[in-house]
Amino acid sequence: DVKVTQSSRYLVKRTGEKVFLECVQDMDHENMFWYRQDPGLGLRLIYFSYDVKMKEKGDIPEGYSVSREKKERFSLILESASTNQTSMYLCASRLWGTEAFFGQGTRLTVV
Amino acid sequence: AQSVTQPDIHITVSEGASLELRCNYSYGATPYLFWYVQSPGQGLQLLLKYFSGDTLVQGIKGFEAEFKRSQSSFNLRKPSVHWSDAAEYFCAVGAQGAQKLVFGQGTRLTINP
Repeated sequence: DVKVTQSSRYLVKRTGEKVFLECVQDMDHENMFWYRQDPGLGLRLIYFSYDVKMKEKGDIPEGYSVSREKKERFSLILESASTNQTSMYLCASRLWGTEAFFGQGTRLTVV
Repeated sequence: AQSVTQPDIHITVSEGASLELRCNYSYGATPYLFWYVQSPGQGLQLLLKYFSGDTLVQGIKGFEAEFKRSQSSFNLRKPSVHWSDAAEYFCAVGAQGAQKLVFGQGTRLTINP
């Protein structure tokens, strides 16, 4: 069975901290994504990557960066966490032209 | 640019009743279309997908969806809902050759006993 695993289900961080959200997929997918989910706003794309060390900005990249050093791993970095980054973060991966597979989500609270 | 609209933010139906969730998309060519379901606190699970061919698509858990090009719609249906269908449902559109999917705002489904 295909699997996308996010390192944490719940995180609580302080304002100004550097935060790392990790995502690993075992399907050899080229494309990986980070979405943010907020009530009434659906899923908004933060960043995506189509190959190792390649990345592209999504719709809301401000305040975030990403890293993809290996094909199976895609990290989302909050350089200096702020309270408005409190949200549910979803990682996904897909092959070209197929459906996306999602991780279970990380609920981040910044206090 | 691609966009997806789910006009209903919240729908309530009685257990055993039929269900239709609406999805309208904006895209120039033939899109790839998806419906996902999300249970509380969980990730998204694929219900069904449309790439080409038969415009009526069957999915898991008894769901189906119909692609109507003339109406730019991909509505999700189920003849008889169960209490376990209470969840949030997302419609998504992708383009051939493009990496990313665009999601609608979601429709939250509540089931009355």
